[in-house]
Amino acid sequence: AQKVTQAQTEISVVEKEDVTLDCVYETRDTTYYLFWYKQPPSGELVFLIRRNSFDEQNEISGRYSWNFQKSTSSFNFTITASQVVDSAVYFCALSVQTGANNLFFGTGTRLTVIP
Amino acid sequence: GAGVSQTPSNKVTEKGKYVELRCDPISGHTALYWYRQSLGQGPEFLIYFQGTGAADDSGLPNDRFFAVRPEGSVSTLKIQRTERGDSAVYLCASSSTGARSPLHFGNGTRLTVT
Repeated sequence: AQKVTQAQTEISVVEKEDVTLDCVYETRDTTYYLFWYKQPPSGELVFLIRRNSFDEQNEISGRYSWNFQKSTSSFNFTITASQVVDSAVYFCALSVQTGANNLFFGTGTRLTVIP
Repeated sequence: GAGVSQTPSNKVTEKGKYVELRCDPISGHTALYWYRQSLGQGPEFLIYFQGTGAADDSGLPNDRFFAVRPEGSVSTLKIQRTERGDSAVYLCASSSTGARSPLHFGNGTRLTVT
């Protein structure tokens, strides 16, 4: 069975602070894919990043960075110098190579950036 | 537009009524998913289509829920004898290959059963 845990329900930061959103996953598959999605108030889920289980390189995209650590089954997401537009609910998700071809989501972390 | 389109954006219905929710995926995407999102929760899988056929309907909560995709493009999620517990946002997503690639989501249909 697959499971994604996002222990932080809500986080508030002041603009320009850095913030890290935690994600811990569980799967018995050796080949799997991890995702982060952003859900702004408009409601549409926006894809941010995909990582496969064989690629543990950290990734940086502008103010966003991701830290994938198989040893701790974690795929954390850091926003540097947060902005008000970053306010949204962020979801971590998992899919596996064998079996069910669908995406398992965590419960999300609501980030509020205070100006 | 080029994105996933869902109609209606909002639907209010009375308990016991029948509703249909429509999803128009990105052109050429063979994989189509329905998810349900309750307040404060992550999306929960309902059903997955590959082409015209339902490849996995294990997430449908009971036999009041049914979905079709007769021509491999537009899909309709049908809910019979609606209950108040069915109130949620119903999300549709599509992809060219399935959930191992990024899914493209629509804005969802907010269903309220009174």
